[in-house]
Amino acid sequence: GQNIDQPTEMTATEGAIVQINCTYQTSGFNGLFWYQQHAGEAPTFLSYNVLDGLEEKGRFSSFLSRSKGYSYLLLKELQMKDSASYLCAVVDSNYQLIWGAGTKLIIKP
Amino acid sequence: ETGVTQTPRHLVMGMTNKKSLKCEQHLGHNAMYWYKQSAKKPLELMFVYNFKEQTENNSVPSRFSPECPNSSHLFLHLHTLQPEDSALYLCASSPNGGGQETQYFGPGTRLLVL
Repeated sequence: GQNIDQPTEMTATEGAIVQINCTYQTSGFNGLFWYQQHAGEAPTFLSYNVLDGLEEKGRFSSFLSRSKGYSYLLLKELQMKDSASYLCAVVDSNYQLIWGAGTKLIIKP
Repeated sequence: ETGVTQTPRHLVMGMTNKKSLKCEQHLGHNAMYWYKQSAKKPLELMFVYNFKEQTENNSVPSRFSPECPNSSHLFLHLHTLQPEDSALYLCASSPNGGGQETQYFGPGTRLLVL
């Protein structure tokens, strides 16, 4: 079966750094997405990785290791508005999106 | 503003009611999707339309009936639902339905079935 694992919930402090991990077991791999979803709102695109390595986009970075079936989203200089759920999704060999259950990130002052 | 709108935002219905969810995208995309989002569960893909043709139906019960009259509009018709159908229903669109394309989501309809 296909599976995406993410922690259910994480807590971090304003101004700090947090790393949200995502591990996957899928039939093939054609890329990995991270989306952000604030409570009661639409998921919005954060990043897409298809090659190994780190991609940085402002305060957010996303890392991929295909050999380990592993990705992480790194959030720096945390702000209260970063409190949200973060969804990991993998594109499998049939170009279908396999979604994780999401990680709820709570930022405390 | 995501360019994808959904109405209504909230809906309460009895098990014998018939209602419809509406989605509209203003992005010029050719693919539209319906997802079900339940608490602490992965997004469940329900239906996909590409150029107005249904290309995916993930074993969804027949009490959910999609309709796509054109590339900008998508409906989900609901009848004789069950309490376990209570969830957030998200609509999304993408340029041409490719798996590697970013999907743009609407804010969802929060459905409660009593």
